[in-house]
Amino acid sequence: EAGVAQSPRYKIIEKRQSVAFWCNPISGHATLYWYQQILGQGPKLLIQFQNNGVVDDSQLPKDRFSAERLKGVDSTLKIQPAKLEDSAVYLCASSLVAPPGNEQYFGPGTRLTVT
Amino acid sequence: GQQVMQIPQYQHVQEGEDFTTYCNSSTTLSNIQWYKQRPGGHPVFLIQLVKSGEVKKQKRLTFQFGEAKKNSSLHITATQTTDVGTYFCGSSNTGKLIFGQGTTLQVKP
Repeated sequence: EAGVAQSPRYKIIEKRQSVAFWCNPISGHATLYWYQQILGQGPKLLIQFQNNGVVDDSQLPKDRFSAERLKGVDSTLKIQPAKLEDSAVYLCASSLVAPPGNEQYFGPGTRLTVT
Repeated sequence: GQQVMQIPQYQHVQEGEDFTTYCNSSTTLSNIQWYKQRPGGHPVFLIQLVKSGEVKKQKRLTFQFGEAKKNSSLHITATQTTDVGTYFCGSSNTGKLIFGQGTTLQVKP
């Protein structure tokens, strides 16, 4: 079974530029998550999709971050404009069902550096 | 909001020694999940506990969920260099998984 795919793996941009990340979840997984992981901290949920609908985006900085999951499969996360504090690893995860009581499968992440 | 606190933040052990990390919450948890993240890697699911007082074992790893469902522990017996990484607990009381800050384990050969 193929895992969660993410691209790119690394990205370096200057502040005020825009960037987009792509995620392809495990086939058949209805729930998709985007997490932000700052060095030395646990992953923080940014947004959770159930199929192509948003379940939770309470911690998504909506003035600069946006995400979509068209057709309930792939998802993109965009940052525009980026700030220095956005430097982090952005992890995509998917699960067969929504929480509680589900196992989440994480992708390799995209390491973003904002200079 | 819901928070889970993990201690210690870091632990250095000699290979062969035991290791324990603790996860605590001020509120009752519906479940607790444990993940391992190797250096430079991504979190990998280890286990989920849902019942009060539940104990589960995976080879040298023992997971416990407290009777009051407010705390959990992960114990590794006789650590090996392959156990190196950061161990996260998380709980999904509110429908979203909230992670603790993790315990980073270093094992000296």
